[in-house]
Amino acid sequence: AQTVTQSQPEMSVQEAETVTLSCTYDTSESNYYLFWYKQPPSRQMILVIRQEAYKQQNATENRFSVNFQKAAKSFSLKISDSQLGDTAMYFCAFTTMEYGNKLVFGAGTILRVKS
Amino acid sequence: DTEVTQTPKHLVMGMTNKKSLKCEQHMGHRAMYWYKQKAKKPPELMFVYSYEKLSINESVPSRFSPECPNSSLLNLHLHALQPEDSALYLCASSQPRGVVDTEAFFGQGTRLTVV
Repeated sequence: AQTVTQSQPEMSVQEAETVTLSCTYDTSESNYYLFWYKQPPSRQMILVIRQEAYKQQNATENRFSVNFQKAAKSFSLKISDSQLGDTAMYFCAFTTMEYGNKLVFGAGTILRVKS
Repeated sequence: DTEVTQTPKHLVMGMTNKKSLKCEQHMGHRAMYWYKQKAKKPPELMFVYSYEKLSINESVPSRFSPECPNSSLLNLHLHALQPEDSALYLCASSQPRGVVDTEAFFGQGTRLTVV
């Protein structure tokens, strides 16, 4: 079975500080893509960062970076210099070549950035 | 243009009404999706169209009827819905499997209320 687990239902962080959201997944496939999506109160699902499983180098996008541990099936998101606009629900997700066009989502983590 | 446009943004309908949700993208994507999302939950996949053909139907009740008139448009026809069908309906598009850029781009959703 293909599953994604986000063990932190809610997190808070002070503005300008760093926070890490955790995600683990389970798949028997060797080739897959991992994603972090952000859904602010405006409700649009926005892609934050993606990682191809065959790439060992961790992806980074400005203040957002991942720690991808393939053997441990772990894919955490680090947000540096947190901003009020980062307040949102964050979903970890993945898709595999053999799983068709399905995105498998985790339950989500609500992140609140406080001033 | 990296936009997926959904109309309407809000919809209130009675249980005997027939209505349609519309989704449009001009990114040349050949896979399009309908998701249903309840509050504070991850999106649940309903349907996938790949090259304008229905490729995945996640056992969705027949009161939801998808349609893909062309590669840019996706509709969801609604008939005889129940109050528990009230949710945010998200449309997404991506390249089909087998292509490198597999991330999905989401629309802002239609907030549906069934009364």
